[in-house]
Amino acid sequence: EPEVTQTPSHQVTQMGQEVILRCVPISNHLYFYWYRQILGQKVEFLVSFYNNEISEKSEIFDDQFSVERPDGSNFTLKIRSTKLEDSAMYFCASSGARQGNEKLFFGSGTQLSVL
Amino acid sequence: GQSLEQPSEVTAVEGAIVQINCTYQTSGFYGLSWYQQHDGGAPTFLSYNALDGLEETGRFSSFLSRSDSYGYLLLQELQMKDSASYFCAVNTGGFKTIFGAGTRLFVKA
Repeated sequence: EPEVTQTPSHQVTQMGQEVILRCVPISNHLYFYWYRQILGQKVEFLVSFYNNEISEKSEIFDDQFSVERPDGSNFTLKIRSTKLEDSAMYFCASSGARQGNEKLFFGSGTQLSVL
Repeated sequence: GQSLEQPSEVTAVEGAIVQINCTYQTSGFYGLSWYQQHDGGAPTFLSYNALDGLEETGRFSSFLSRSDSYGYLLLQELQMKDSASYFCAVNTGGFKTIFGAGTRLFVKA
């Protein structure tokens, strides 16, 4: 079965540094998402992306965050100046369905640790 | 605000049936999904209800009542491997799906 792949699986960074998390969505999917999950807590929506632009974003997704689809396969999340509270598991997801996007396919995540 | 409420924890024995409830209050509603997440893993899709009624997929069933803003996930013939967290999620329209806090299911032998 096709899958969403994310790299790296773990990222350790110093506070204030920039990080880029990378994702390769399922090839024929058109809708892309970033979620994050702090250990033991719920999966929080960050942003959705369609047709090369942000479709929706949450209050968490402030000016420190940006997303990009630099080519036909990759989808990236950049955090410009990381804070301690950005430490979390970041999941990329993709979907092939527009209406209701009822089935999200998640990658295995990038565990970001900000020191 | 938007909220999804589900129990934090449920314990059941192997072979039993367990029901995990979810009530939601959201600004929009396209459908209710359920995801399973094992420790250290990614959420994986289980089911989706856009219309009222019951959807069955093997040992798992999901129910939705839009008028009550309520749904549940029913797991039958529980197995040890079903021990995981289960999240209900609402597609609020457009391109946004929000998740509940999750229910941790413990299956005992």
